[in-house]
Amino acid sequence: EVQLVESGGGPVDGGGSLRLSCGSFGFTFSNTWMSWVRQSPGKGLEWVARIKTKPEGWTTDYAAPVKGRFTIWRDDSKNMMFLQMNSLRTEDTAVYFCTTEAPGGACYFRSWGQGTLVSVSS
Amino acid sequence: DIQMTQSPSTLSASIGDRVTITCWASHTISSWLAWYQQRPGKAPKLLIFKASTLEGGVPSRFSGGGFGTEFTLTISSLQPDDFATYYCQQYSTYPYTFGQGTKLEI
Repeated sequence: EVQLVESGGGPVDGGGSLRLSCGSFGFTFSNTWMSWVRQSPGKGLEWVARIKTKPEGWTTDYAAPVKGRFTIWRDDSKNMMFLQMNSLRTEDTAVYFCTTEAPGGACYFRSWGQGTLVSVSS
Repeated sequence: DIQMTQSPSTLSASIGDRVTITCWASHTISSWLAWYQQRPGKAPKLLIFKASTLEGGVPSRFSGGGFGTEFTLTISSLQPDDFATYYCQQYSTYPYTFGQGTKLEI
């Protein structure tokens, strides 16, 4: 059974930084494209960032609102993915979900973690 | 970015009803559309991909249709577990975008 477990969320002041982690179990992590998706009351569900696998050079993509502030990476030896969030803004307040993307580059989100709440205060 | 618009925002229904939720894309997305179900306090769950393909383990009372810019999610006979919020998502064009959600309530 696929399991994704996020950690690292919490309260942070605007302008601060936070690092989210996602541990994975039950599937071949190194073969799977991974994404972060966030959900806030004001903006609904929003794709944040994605990282591909080694054959694709671990290529990353970012949504425009976070590009230049957030960094996604993965450690295939530990079956983990990370999201470094810098220069946080109040609009980054959301529950952040770790997700697997469907195989073959079809960019829908097959499995989801339980989410970790990031709360940015002004 | 491609905008996804769902209708209605809220839908009241009863056990056994047949309901349909509609999702429109601001640009054509072929069949690159997914549907998710989210219960309160839980993560979204994938129901349908490629507009009409049921994810494994999803009950057959769920069905999806459409192509291009207009898509539907139909639940043929509502069960108690189906009262939740439903989201569509396009994956035709980066960045991948979601609809605002349809809350299905009793």
